[in-house]
Amino acid sequence: SQQGEEDPQALSIQEGENATMNCSYKTSINNLQWYRQNSGRGLVHLILIRSNEREKHSGRLRVTLDTSKKSSSLLITASRAADTASYFCATDSSYKLIFGSGTRLLVRP
Amino acid sequence: DVKVTQSSRYLVKRTGEKVFLECVQDMDHENMFWYRQDPGLGLRLIYFSYDVKMKEKGDIPEGYSVSREKKERFSLILESASTNQTSMYLCASSRTWGRGLAGGGSYNEQFFGPGTRLTVL
Repeated sequence: SQQGEEDPQALSIQEGENATMNCSYKTSINNLQWYRQNSGRGLVHLILIRSNEREKHSGRLRVTLDTSKKSSSLLITASRAADTASYFCATDSSYKLIFGSGTRLLVRP
Repeated sequence: DVKVTQSSRYLVKRTGEKVFLECVQDMDHENMFWYRQDPGLGLRLIYFSYDVKMKEKGDIPEGYSVSREKKERFSLILESASTNQTSMYLCASSRTWGRGLAGGGSYNEQFFGPGTRLTVL
């Protein structure tokens, strides 16, 4: 089974609203990463949070990590139509990454 | 601009054919990876390589082999394609684990190619 599981599987919001996606994992990690995938394309790295960090920001992205609950959340503020994509969390406990099955985000104009 | 390229965006093959998927990266990365992506299953690791001529099985290596003769190139081979290998194939590369970017950047950030959508008839 996948190490990271995203929730919800799909999310539809209006442009300008905030989008929150959650990721849960099972084993201890070195870091957790979030990636974005536009339809039919490769993945693009968004942000990495290390296991000793609790929160990290990058532009309109905010990531939190709770290692006691083995969970992370990705918040996209003031969403835009261009944010429409699938978002994946990936956990790193070695030199491999293990990806979840993703959250499909639709931002309606 | 760093780049991972894959030889084809779309490929259609027949059952039993031998299929080669090529991946090239220009970032001098040590690690390269092949994933397949299927709806509802996310990305699953097929094989990876941490050095030239080195390879390691991922989670679903059956029916696949790989070749890494040069640092920048990692090939995925389907010896005898089957319909259940119809999928999106994604190649990625990364620096050696634990060696971040100058200034404390990412550990193990992976850079992905655009993907090859393979259909086996």
